Amino acid sequence: AQSVTQPDIHITVSEGASLELRCNYSYGATPYLFWYVQSPGQGLQLLLKYFSGDTLVQGIKGFEAEFKRSQSSFNLRKPSVHWSDAAEYFCAVRSGGSYIPTFGRGTSLIVHP
Amino acid sequence: DGGITQSPKYLFRKEGQNVTLSCEQNLNHDAMYWYRQDPGQGLRLIYYSQIVNDFQKGDIAEGYSVSREKKESFPLTVTSAQKNPTAFYLCATTGTGGAQYEQYFGPGTRLTVT
Repeated sequence: AQSVTQPDIHITVSEGASLELRCNYSYGATPYLFWYVQSPGQGLQLLLKYFSGDTLVQGIKGFEAEFKRSQSSFNLRKPSVHWSDAAEYFCAVRSGGSYIPTFGRGTSLIVHP
Repeated sequence: DGGITQSPKYLFRKEGQNVTLSCEQNLNHDAMYWYRQDPGQGLRLIYYSQIVNDFQKGDIAEGYSVSREKKESFPLTVTSAQKNPTAFYLCATTGTGGAQYEQYFGPGTRLTVT
């Protein structure tokens, strides 16, 4: 069975600082990986996804993520955080034969001015 | 404008009443999902449907029911049997043909039962 772990429940950074949100997955074959962002009281929006090819994926809002098969990780990064990036971030994995993704529990990002 | 609409945004009900949450999409997606979100618990799958007139239970289906009579619509009924129905409910869709397709989410409905 596939699983996703986001080890950090909360992360606090200062505006302008760099950011890395961790995501580890458990799945036998190459998974399909996603990062979503959720602002308070709203639905989720896709930031980026990986399913093959270049292991460094660029997304919207200046985010990127790197797939590392050896570490079973898909960490999300941003070089300079803006106050508007404060939100909940979810990592998700989906196997090739399933319509059902597995979501991590989310990481809440707090941005200090 | 393609997207998913959920109505209403906020819903208040008395304990013991059934309530139906609406989800409509014009993305022409075959698969639709209902999730429940509670603080600190991430997303939990209630029901999903891959095609019209067919749906499957997710991880927490007890106390909920759905129907899928049209491709565009996937309403969720929260019944009086649901022990703790107060939560944020999200509807999602996805294209079919491969697992590389991401889910699209509606804006959510916050249900409060007192």
